[in-house]
Amino acid sequence: SQTIHQWPATLVQPVGSPLSLECTVEGTSNPNLYWYRQAAGRGLQLLFYSVGIGQISSEVPQNLSASRPQDRQFILSSKKLLLSDSGFYLCAWTKWKGQGATKNIQYFGAGTRLSVL
Amino acid sequence: DQQVKQNSPSLSVQEGRISILNCDYTNSMFDYFLWYKKYPAEGPTFLISISSIKDKNEDGRFTVFLNKSAKHLSLHIVPSQPGDSAVYFCAAKGAGGTSYGKLTFGQGTILTVHP
Repeated sequence: SQTIHQWPATLVQPVGSPLSLECTVEGTSNPNLYWYRQAAGRGLQLLFYSVGIGQISSEVPQNLSASRPQDRQFILSSKKLLLSDSGFYLCAWTKWKGQGATKNIQYFGAGTRLSVL
Repeated sequence: DQQVKQNSPSLSVQEGRISILNCDYTNSMFDYFLWYKKYPAEGPTFLISISSIKDKNEDGRFTVFLNKSAKHLSLHIVPSQPGDSAVYFCAAKGAGGTSYGKLTFGQGTILTVHP
C-alpha cells in the first residue's frame, strides 16, 4: 500500500531563518506531488505541484520554493522565513497518470505545523 | 476569486440525526468533486467523491449529491456520530489534461455532533 511521510511534525523558526520541509511517498512510482498551506481559519491553498523529477510549478508568488530531486521526494524550502509563512503545511500525492477515478484523489500527509516567531 | 465556497463555517447536529454540508462552485469546467475530513493537527483524509456525469454517490452513511445546474454539491451523513466531528472540505478538479490533478478547496465547515 502507498504511504506518505512528512517531517518534521512541528517546527518553530525565527524570522529570517531558512526552512526545509521534506515529503516522501512510498509504494508508488511517478506520482504527482503537491504542497499546500492552511493558514489559521482558512482553507487549503495550493502552493506548488510537480509532475516529475525536477519539474515544479508554482501556483502563487511567495517567499517559498520547492524541489523534487527524486521521483518520490518533494521538498519545500525558504532562504529567509517571514512571519506570514506561519501555517500548517501539507504534502499530497496522486496517481494522476494512472487509470480510473482514483487518479483524481489526492492523499495527504500528516502535515507540518510551522510557527515563525 | 473563490471558485469553491463553503458558506457555513460551522454546523452543530445531534447524534443520530442527519448532517448536511453544502458547497457551491463557480467554474463550470470542474469535472470531479471530492469531500475530505480533517481532524486538528492531521492531514485531510479522503471521504467520498463524485464525477460530474453523476448526480449521486453513496458510501455507507455518506452520500454526495451534485446539482450541476445550480453548481452545488452537498454531503449527507446519516446517522451522524460523535466521531464525525471534524472539519469537512469540499474540493473540485478542473477538466482536461492540463489540470494535472490539481484540486481547488473550499474554506471548510466545522461539524460538531453532540451525543
